[in-house]
Amino acid sequence: EAEVAQSPRYKITEKSQAVAFWCDPISGHATLYWYRQILGQGPELLVQFQDESVVDDSQLPKDRFSAERLKGVDSTLKIQPAELGDSAMYLCASSLWTGSSYEQYFGPGTRLTVT
Amino acid sequence: AQKVTQAQTEISVVEKEDVTLDCVYETRDTTYYLFWYKQPPSGELVFLIRRNSFDEQNEISGRYSWNFQKSTSSFNFTITASQVVDSAVYFCALSEDSGGYQKVTFGIGTKLQVIP
Repeated sequence: EAEVAQSPRYKITEKSQAVAFWCDPISGHATLYWYRQILGQGPELLVQFQDESVVDDSQLPKDRFSAERLKGVDSTLKIQPAELGDSAMYLCASSLWTGSSYEQYFGPGTRLTVT
Repeated sequence: AQKVTQAQTEISVVEKEDVTLDCVYETRDTTYYLFWYKQPPSGELVFLIRRNSFDEQNEISGRYSWNFQKSTSSFNFTITASQVVDSAVYFCALSEDSGGYQKVTFGIGTKLQVIP
């Protein structure tokens, strides 16, 4: 069964350092999402790609966060510099919309701890 | 206003009891999708069900059942004969068209604890 891959699974970094997360969506899924989930809350959308284009980054803190999906396949989310409040689970998801059906699947997530 | 409301933040039940998790949504679209996900302590979101707005048939999958009622904008999830392995956080989510792409909004989740 196809899966969304993410790495690393866990990351501990010091405040003010740079950190990057990688996501490989399910093959053929044009839409890719990055979510942040703070402990005890639901996932919050950070950025959404349609192929290689950003279609929604309204909740992305652009002063420190950046995301790219250069070839419309895998994606990288970067934080620079990391802050204590960035400690959270970062979830990647991909989806396929065919016009008559829709499916979305999540990767295992990257748990980030900023010290 | 919240687009997806899960009013129950935490529920505790004794094993073998039935439990219903509530989800109320808000949308102006006529075409949309509703989801339920399970998030066990390991953190991964596990897809449980997707329902489109044109299909109001209730669905049963083993001990799980879903009641979709457009008239009350609700998509409730019932676990029958709960088990300890059902302990997790359950999220309801709404997917709507937004400028030609699907935008997904999650509720805050309901933490279910099944006590042996």
